[in-house]
Amino acid sequence: DAGVIQSPRHEVTEMGQEVTLRCKPISGHNSLFWYRQTMMRGLELLIYFNNNVPIDDSGMPEDRFSAKMPNASFSTLKIQPSEPRDSAVYFCASSLDGGLFNEQYFGPGTRLTVT
Amino acid sequence: SQKIEQNSEALNIQEGKTATLTCNYTNYSPAYLQWYRQDPGRGPVFLLLIRENEKEKRKERLKVTFDTTLKQSLFHITASQPADSATYLCALDSAGKSTFGDGTTLTVKP
Repeated sequence: DAGVIQSPRHEVTEMGQEVTLRCKPISGHNSLFWYRQTMMRGLELLIYFNNNVPIDDSGMPEDRFSAKMPNASFSTLKIQPSEPRDSAVYFCASSLDGGLFNEQYFGPGTRLTVT
Repeated sequence: SQKIEQNSEALNIQEGKTATLTCNYTNYSPAYLQWYRQDPGRGPVFLLLIRENEKEKRKERLKVTFDTTLKQSLFHITASQPADSATYLCALDSAGKSTFGDGTTLTVKP
């Protein structure tokens, strides 16, 4: 298996632009997680899905952030409009059985820079 | 408020020694705890998981303990090697959600 795939790997955009990050989880995994990592705040859970349904989005910072999972093999995280403080590395992770008693497999991350 | 604290400073040890990393938490009742390794520019990689009713778990040169009374987990790497140099994250899990500590950066010197 190729593991969790994220695209793009790097994104540089100007403030106010829309940014879409993409994730393909490991085939057969039924839970997907979006995290954000910064030096100041560490690794933070933004939202997670189980069987394509959003279960907990309490970590989404504000309405500018939205996430979708239209099917079991694809998810997007959208920021609109983007702001410089959104600059971070965004990780997608997937797991089997909702992450309960099971490890998460992380993708390589998308490094987002908003200027 | 809920809080997870890992070794406040980076850990430097000599090759062959045992590295011990700590993860303390407050105001959590985790069902289980996980340890991950993260190398620069990469995503975290799962190492070990220990459940609340387990005291200790081992995997090759790795050992994790979990004391729910002390609210602490210890992560040991025996016979450390320079290749073990990385940042190690603990994660507390409850209700299907993981909350990560800030990590401890370990450097093993040859």
